[in-house]
Amino acid sequence: EAGVAQSPRYKIIEKRQSVAFWCNPISGHATLYWYQQILGQGPKLLIQFQNNGVVDDSQLPKDRFSAERLKGVDSTLKIQPAKLEDSAVYLCASSPRTSGGEETQYFGPGTRLLVL
Amino acid sequence: AQSVTQPDIHITVSEGASLELRCNYSYGATPYLFWYVQSPGQGLQLLLKYFSGDTLVQGIKGFEAEFKRSQSSFNLRKPSVHWSDAAEYFCAVVPLGHKLSFGAGTTVTVRA
Repeated sequence: EAGVAQSPRYKIIEKRQSVAFWCNPISGHATLYWYQQILGQGPKLLIQFQNNGVVDDSQLPKDRFSAERLKGVDSTLKIQPAKLEDSAVYLCASSPRTSGGEETQYFGPGTRLLVL
Repeated sequence: AQSVTQPDIHITVSEGASLELRCNYSYGATPYLFWYVQSPGQGLQLLLKYFSGDTLVQGIKGFEAEFKRSQSSFNLRKPSVHWSDAAEYFCAVVPLGHKLSFGAGTTVTVRA
């Protein structure tokens, strides 16, 4: 079974530029998550999708971050404009069930973003 | 405040020695409990999980964890570490009806 795919693996941009990350979850997984992992910290949930609908985006800085999952499969996370503090690893995860249940999240390799 | 605590930021252990990583949580009811490992430059890999039942859980790569309700703990153990176990380890919990929350992580260094 193929795992969660993410691209690019690394990205370096200057502040105020925009950037987009892509995620392809495990086939058949209805729930998709985006996390931000700042160096030295555990991952923090940014947004959760159930199929193509948003379940939780309470931690997403909506003035600069946006995400979509138009067809209920792939997802894109965008930052526009980027700030220095956005430097982090962005992890995508998927799970086969809705939140609150005994679902297990499976993570992709992440995208390392450096904002200069 | 509800939280997940990993008291040890960094642990150094000799190859072949035993390893124990601590995790405590502060939630009213027993949450679902997970341990993930993150090797340098990689995503998170699930080591094991506890939902209910037997409080000693076996995972991959020779790891096990024990849930202790009285101590609100879910400590991870391995009897004999290998150099490839050098990584960062995250405890994570899902309180009933809430989202996955991670501890800050413990970095494990393995010396020859």
